Amino acid sequence: SQQGEEDPQALSIQEGENATMNCSYKTSINNLQWYRQNSGRGLVHLILIRSNEREKHSGRLRVTLDTSKKSSSLLITASRAADTASYFCATIRGSNYKLTFGKGTLLTVNP
Amino acid sequence: EAQVTQNPRYLITVTGKKLTVTCSQNMNHEYMSWYRQDPGLGLRQIYYSMNVEVTDKGDVPEGYKVSRKEKRNFPLILESPSPNQTSLYFCASRPGLAGSDTQYFGPGTRLTVL
Repeated sequence: SQQGEEDPQALSIQEGENATMNCSYKTSINNLQWYRQNSGRGLVHLILIRSNEREKHSGRLRVTLDTSKKSSSLLITASRAADTASYFCATIRGSNYKLTFGKGTLLTVNP
Repeated sequence: EAQVTQNPRYLITVTGKKLTVTCSQNMNHEYMSWYRQDPGLGLRQIYYSMNVEVTDKGDVPEGYKVSRKEKRNFPLILESPSPNQTSLYFCASRPGLAGSDTQYFGPGTRLTVL
C-alpha cells in the first residue's frame, strides 16, 4: 500500500525558478526521505528528515516536515535544466525499517 | 566505488521461462530489497532481507522468489514469468538497523515478458 502521496504529479517551470513538491502520508513514521530518479534510472537519495526534525537543508534543497499534518515539502531553489527528474518521497516506519514510496512528482525544468 | 549492481539491465523473455536477476552490493550492507516500478503505481517492494538467510515478503511477492546465501548477493528469481511481471526492477541495499536509513539503488533491470 502507498504511504506517501506526492503533489503535484507533474510540475513544469523555467530555469532559475523555485520548485516545490509536497508529500502526504497516512501513519506515523520514523523518518521521511526524498529520492530523485532520472528517466528509467535508479533512485538517488537526496535528503532524510527525522520525525523529530522540522526543517533540513542540503545545498539548494530544503525539506520541511509537519508531523501533525503528516506532510512534507521539498523545495529546490534556483532550478536548473539538470534538475529535470522524478522526485519521490519515501517513509520509514516500524521495526523492519521498510521504505514505502509515493508515486512521485515529475519535474521538468525548461532552459 | 560503492555501488549496487544488477544484471541483466535489459531482458526480453517468454511466458514460463525461468529467469534470475542478480543483485550484488560491495558496501557490506545487511539489508537488501527488491522493488518493481510500474507507471501510475510507483515503487512497490517485492521482497527484503534483513541479513544472510533471512528473507521476508514485501507488498507484492506473488510470482517471485529470493535467496540470501551471501551478504553481498540477493538474486530475484521468477520461476514462471508472466506478462504482468513486465516491469522495471530495482535492487537496493542499506546498512543494518543501527546504520543509516538511506537506501542505495542499483541501475534497474527492464524486464519484458511476452
